[in-house]
Amino acid sequence: DTGVSQDPRHKITKRGQNVTFRCDPISEHNRLYWYRQTLGQGPEFLTYFQNEAQLEKSRLLSDRFSAERPKGSFSTLEIQRTEQGDSAMYLCASSPTGGIAKNIQYFGAGTRLSVL
Amino acid sequence: AQSVAQPEDQVNVAEGNPLTVKCTYSVSGNPYLFWYVQYPNRGLQFLLKYITGDNLVKGSYGFEAEFNKSQTSFHLKKPSALVSDSALYFCAVREQGDKIIFGKGTRLHILP
Repeated sequence: DTGVSQDPRHKITKRGQNVTFRCDPISEHNRLYWYRQTLGQGPEFLTYFQNEAQLEKSRLLSDRFSAERPKGSFSTLEIQRTEQGDSAMYLCASSPTGGIAKNIQYFGAGTRLSVL
Repeated sequence: AQSVAQPEDQVNVAEGNPLTVKCTYSVSGNPYLFWYVQYPNRGLQFLLKYITGDNLVKGSYGFEAEFNKSQTSFHLKKPSALVSDSALYFCAVREQGDKIIFGKGTRLHILP
């Protein structure tokens, strides 16, 4: 168990460019979540998957954001036509649906996005 | 909608003293409550959770939290603070469907 892995750790981009982040959950965790955290705030829910199915999306997730988990393992979060307001830390978490760790979300270190 | 409030942006405690980080919640049913800690440049780490059962929940690193239904509170406590406990602490509540709603966080400073 190597924990939740996110790549890249940092991304600097120019306004209008597209960016894609990757998250590798803890193996055998079938739920995967994306959150966004801005300075001085707690993480805000964006979306989550159970296996490959995207079960819920926040209204924070505008049509410029898209997330996928095609094989029920790793997930990608893409932001198209980035805006300066997209600058934030993007956090990924995973959890099992059974066992003693049920209901606990385990977080990666995050990807910090800076839009210039 | 469910929510959590952390009324203190920052808490300062002398090393060796007991610490309390406050959290109140608002839910429409039975709450699932959590505490997470965030160290600089690292992701959130799970400390403890309350689902049901004993009101006093014990977690990692000597932390515990007390669930109080009448006061809708879930304060984080530790009997003797360490300098290494200095970090950002988040209280959270699980909504229907499994997403977690986080508070704004409380920065804990343990003074040597």
